[in-house]
Amino acid sequence: EAGVTQFPSHSVIEKGQTVTLRCDPISGHDNLYWYRRVMGKEIKFLLHFVKESKQDESGMPNNRFLAERTGGTYSTLKVQPAELEDSGVYFCASSQGRNFYNSPLHFGNGTRLTVT
Amino acid sequence: GQQLNQSPQSMFIQEGEDVSMNCTSSSIFNTWLWYKQDPGEGPVLLIALYKAGELTSNGRLTAQFGITRKDSFLNISASIPSDVGIYFCAAINQGGKLIFGQGTELSVKP
Repeated sequence: EAGVTQFPSHSVIEKGQTVTLRCDPISGHDNLYWYRRVMGKEIKFLLHFVKESKQDESGMPNNRFLAERTGGTYSTLKVQPAELEDSGVYFCASSQGRNFYNSPLHFGNGTRLTVT
Repeated sequence: GQQLNQSPQSMFIQEGEDVSMNCTSSSIFNTWLWYKQDPGEGPVLLIALYKAGELTSNGRLTAQFGITRKDSFLNISASIPSDVGIYFCAAINQGGKLIFGQGTELSVKP
């Protein structure tokens, strides 16, 4: 079974540019999550999809961030325009159910975003 | 908001030594989890704890759910080079959301 796949693994962009991150969850996983870790800090929740619907986007920092999951398969996270404080590692995770007790989260390897 | 305070931030140890790290909060949680992130990879679940006072082992790893439900501990015995990585504590809040600590970066010298 293929794991959660994220692309690209690294991205270096200039302030003001646009970047789109992609996540392919494990096949059959309805739940898809985006998290971010700024260096040295905690892994912070950004948002949660159930199939193609945004279930919870309370962690999205501001309206420069736009996440989509058209068709309920892969997801994209776009940052436009990027700011210096957007630098960090963006993780995607997926799970079959919404209950973390019996449906563990599977994380991708992350996209390391550097905004210069 | 709810916060998990994890310590230490980093550890440099000799192969064979035992390791202890902990996670505390001012909030009560009903589930604590410990993840490990290997270099260049995503976090992987090591141990899940569901009951206050519970002590659970996974090989050389042992984790405990504090009886106050506000803390958790992870111990690694007889460390080996492949234990290198970042260890994160996490807890599930009442809204069902997973929140993480800041991580403990472990370096093991052969």
